[in-house]
Amino acid sequence: AQSVTQLGSHVSVSEGALVLLRCNYSSSVPPYLFWYVQYPNQGLQLLLKYTSAATLVKGINGFEAEFKKSETSFHLTKPSAHMRDAAEYFCAVRAPMNRDDKIIFGKGTRLHILP
Amino acid sequence: DVKVTQSSRYLVKRTGEKVFLECVQDMDHENMFWYRQDPGLGLRLIYFSYDVKMKEKGDIPEGYSVSREKKERFSLILESASTNQTSMYLCASSFGLAGITGELFFGEGSRLTVL
Repeated sequence: AQSVTQLGSHVSVSEGALVLLRCNYSSSVPPYLFWYVQYPNQGLQLLLKYTSAATLVKGINGFEAEFKKSETSFHLTKPSAHMRDAAEYFCAVRAPMNRDDKIIFGKGTRLHILP
Repeated sequence: DVKVTQSSRYLVKRTGEKVFLECVQDMDHENMFWYRQDPGLGLRLIYFSYDVKMKEKGDIPEGYSVSREKKERFSLILESASTNQTSMYLCASSFGLAGITGELFFGEGSRLTVL
């Protein structure tokens, strides 16, 4: 079975500072991993995904994430935070075995950007 | 551009009322999902469907039912709404083939308040 743990339900960074949102996963098989972003009063939007190709994955809006098998982590980073990055971010995992394996979400991390 | 449309962004209902939440996708996706989102609990899967007229229970199906008469439409039904069903409801869809990444495409959400 798969599971996801996001460390920190709230993270605050100053505008222009590094963004680091942490995600650790558990999976019995090599997983697919995702980061989604949710802006206020909207649905979730795919930010990036890891599908067993390159371990460093680049997404939209300058975000990237690195798959580290030894640490079972998939942390999300952005070199310089912008006010528009204020949102809730969800890490998710899926085992790519068959159609019955659903995507499992973490509980989310709300990112606050300080001016 | 891919599109998942939820019929109502905001609803206010009274305890005991029957509530229909409609979701339509235009991507010819096989899979469709209903989640509810609550602060601190993340996304919880209510029901999902892999094909027309098929439905599977998710993690929290009690008090809900679903209908999928057409491939593009997935309805969530609250037979008798209760105050503890006040929540944000998110519909999502994905391609259904095994082995693909299976990322979800979300609607903008329906915020339901039950008085």
